[in-house]
Amino acid sequence: KAGVTQTPRYLIKTRGQQVTLSCSPISGHRSVSWYQQTPGQGLQFLFEYFSETQRNKGNFPGRFSGRQFSNSRSEMNVSTLELGDSALYLCASSFPLAGEVDTQYFGPGTRLTVL
Amino acid sequence: QQQVKQSPQSLIVQKGGISIINCAYENTAFDYFPWYQQFPGKGPALLIAIRPDVSEKKEGRFTISFNKSAKQFSLHIMDSQPGDSATYFCAASKGGGGSNYKLTFGKGTLLTVNP
Repeated sequence: KAGVTQTPRYLIKTRGQQVTLSCSPISGHRSVSWYQQTPGQGLQFLFEYFSETQRNKGNFPGRFSGRQFSNSRSEMNVSTLELGDSALYLCASSFPLAGEVDTQYFGPGTRLTVL
Repeated sequence: QQQVKQSPQSLIVQKGGISIINCAYENTAFDYFPWYQQFPGKGPALLIAIRPDVSEKKEGRFTISFNKSAKQFSLHIMDSQPGDSATYFCAASKGGGGSNYKLTFGKGTLLTVNP
């Protein structure tokens, strides 16, 4: 079974631009979460989607948004990019089982550099 | 507010030795405590996880020890190997069902195992 795929793997943007990152979860997984990883702040939760609905949201400004499609693929968008948005953006998918804690499987990430 | 504190930041161990990484949490509502391993250029991968109803969980050379009263948990890697050299993250989340996707991570420990 293929793992979580993220595209693109690397991205360079300039301040003020916007960017869209894509995540394809493992086949059959319906939950997709997004995390930002930086050397200073570590791994921080952005949001989680399940069946096209945002269920959880982290403490990030409204410039960060996401969505999930009917095939469970997800995109996240960052508008008006700032230098501090440079980070590795990780997507994780899982398969919800009633009453169980579900393992999150991470993709390799998209490395975003804002100049 | 850093809800999960991880130490040490870096650790150097000789091959065959024991690696110990510690984490402390503040939120007593946390009820799921996973450890992730991350190699350069890869996303984090689940290593082992524990719920607070047990004090220890062992999988192969990896053991989690959990102290609910002290709000601490630790990862022990027995017979450490050079292939274990990676960054390790502890994490925590609360609630079952859809809530456990919002993982709060520690800042990570860079483990180097010398041959």
